[in-house]
Amino acid sequence: SQTIHQWPATLVQPVGSPLSLECTVEGTSNPNLYWYRQAAGRGLQLLFYSVGIGQISSEVPQNLSASRPQDRQFILSSKKLLLSDSGFYLCAWSEGVPYGYTFGSGTRLTVV
Amino acid sequence: GENVEQHPSTLSVQEGDSAVIKCTYSDSASNYFPWYKQELGKGPQLIIDIRSNVGEKKDQRIAVTLNKTAKHFSLHITETQPEDSAVYFCAARTPRYSSASKIIFGSGTRLSIRP
Repeated sequence: SQTIHQWPATLVQPVGSPLSLECTVEGTSNPNLYWYRQAAGRGLQLLFYSVGIGQISSEVPQNLSASRPQDRQFILSSKKLLLSDSGFYLCAWSEGVPYGYTFGSGTRLTVV
Repeated sequence: GENVEQHPSTLSVQEGDSAVIKCTYSDSASNYFPWYKQELGKGPQLIIDIRSNVGEKKDQRIAVTLNKTAKHFSLHITETQPEDSAVYFCAARTPRYSSASKIIFGSGTRLSIRP
């Protein structure tokens, strides 16, 4: 069966520090991968998606970037965090044409 | 592009009563409508979904209805229980995003079950 792993679960980082969040999927090949952000009490904002290694599409301009160095690995990064980057970050995967996403457990990022 | 609106944003019902959450979508080409439940501090979990060739689907206490003409779909929870308290998201998938079909989410409904 397929599983998705996301870490760390919580992170507190100072303003201006770098960020690296990792997501991996097991039990499937060539998944579509997604990064979402959820601000406190708000909905799900799609940040990036990827249909294959090295293929990244950005939904909104921002202080973050994404990379997919391996088929089942998706990384969210920032060179310098801003206070506004705080939120709950969710990784998700789907098959080619998604009949539903499977979400990871999320990373709660607090920038101080 | 697709836009999904969800109402209400908060809903409080007495335990044992029914809860209804409604969504509308804008793209008539959308053909798949999942519903997610998100408990505090966790990722959303798919609880039920419906495809555009079906008008209603049930799974125990949960049901979803779809009106393609009006571009409305709804989640119905009967005999609510305390564990139903969570944030619920509706979503729609349009096939027009052919290179990477994406699912667009509503803004969420915070459901609280009063004992």
